[in-house]
Amino acid sequence: DTAVSQTPKYLVTQMGNDKSIKCEQNLGHDTMYWYKQDSKKFLKIMFSYNNKELIINETVPNRFSPKSPDKAHLNLHINSLELGDSAVYFCASSLRQGAEKLFFGSGTQLSVL
Amino acid sequence: GIQVEQSPPDLILQEGANSTLRCNFSDSVNNLQWFHQNPWGQLINLFYIPSGTKQNGRLSATTVATERYSLLYISSSQTTDSGVYFCAVQIQGAQKLVFGQGTRLTINP
Repeated sequence: DTAVSQTPKYLVTQMGNDKSIKCEQNLGHDTMYWYKQDSKKFLKIMFSYNNKELIINETVPNRFSPKSPDKAHLNLHINSLELGDSAVYFCASSLRQGAEKLFFGSGTQLSVL
Repeated sequence: GIQVEQSPPDLILQEGANSTLRCNFSDSVNNLQWFHQNPWGQLINLFYIPSGTKQNGRLSATTVATERYSLLYISSSQTTDSGVYFCAVQIQGAQKLVFGQGTRLTINP
């Protein structure tokens, strides 16, 4: 029943490791996003895909690589994790590109030790 | 880029009180949304309101696009209204929503 679901909810790992976060939406939306929320609660977009095509790629380190196997899935792979990567990562989706209502997943809290 | 400022940054109220949260933005927008992040971290979309007024139960929102601000009203506050409220805007032709820094609302019983 969950509209936008992401796994895992919590991720605790050591510096230097590689990890992935998965996201799936069952709303039939064309556009999906990754947002990062820092310790001060500030939300910033990282990536956006429309029908599997990358349309937004903010100034994010190359260690972050999104992948969209189909329009219902958008995964985030992070290589060589650093302490500063600790944050909450949210997946989101909207019906299409442009001025559309945004729906968020429940977030993945990443802690890098 | 567009600037989004929310006020107040923090608001502490007793249950039953009314509150008004404000969002100012620096450019013309074609998309404005209000979100509530509850104490468990979930982000819930409250309103999609690029202009005009909408109501949903005890919550209502008004956006005056020509004057570049939006207001979120919460009446008869309940403890479950606690959390952080975010405003997010998108300018015409842009492809991303820009979030404000949020208003942290605490409703005490």
